Amino acid sequence: DIQMTQSPSTLSASEGDRVTITCRASQGISYWLAWYQQKPGKAPKLLIYKASRLESGVPSRFSGSGSGTEFTLTISSLQPDDFATYYCQQYNTYPLTFGQGTRLEIK
Amino acid sequence: EVQLEQSGAEVKKPGESLKISCKGSGYTFTDYWIGWVRQVPGKGLEWMAIIYPGDSDTKYSPSFEGQVTISADNSVTTAYLQWSSLKASDTAMYYCARALTGVTYPLHFDWWGHGTLVSVSS
Repeated sequence: DIQMTQSPSTLSASEGDRVTITCRASQGISYWLAWYQQKPGKAPKLLIYKASRLESGVPSRFSGSGSGTEFTLTISSLQPDDFATYYCQQYNTYPLTFGQGTRLEIK
Repeated sequence: EVQLEQSGAEVKKPGESLKISCKGSGYTFTDYWIGWVRQVPGKGLEWMAIIYPGDSDTKYSPSFEGQVTISADNSVTTAYLQWSSLKASDTAMYYCARALTGVTYPLHFDWWGHGTLVSVSS
């Protein structure tokens, strides 16, 4: 199985900050990586697919990069609505696997 | 508008059977995979299984194979996840999500249901 490891597990930041979350795959997955945002009590929401492609309707302050085994999700200027948990997911091969999540909290 | 409408919350006893559903609408049901993802309270997301209604191709995570069964009924554009004998450890939120088909594997999950909460307790 491909293990997806996110860092950090928790991130404290303030509105307006630029933040980066990292996701590492235990083996190469090309660019077959997605990022999701989940708020408490809600279903996950797709933000980024194919490592760097912004899903329609997602604000441009979100961006993704990387390929192979190392990927990043960057939020350029945190807004109040961005405080949530973020997950990466690889879809290069079965079993599909998620990272453990990064909780983004208000400092 | 795309919708994945999931069945309501369930309260069950250990050993009971259960089948939860996910009805797709607003898109061509047979053009997308439907996957199931588990989330234990306070924990992360775990992929369980996926089905392609177009040809009934199914894949399971090794962690869940033999524990659950995924199926789909194209006539009612609905996917299902079922258990024959629930355990307390099956207590979780279960999400269905759709994914477009890639060359070999499904792509990212672009639309998610609201979730079905399953509680298993004696």
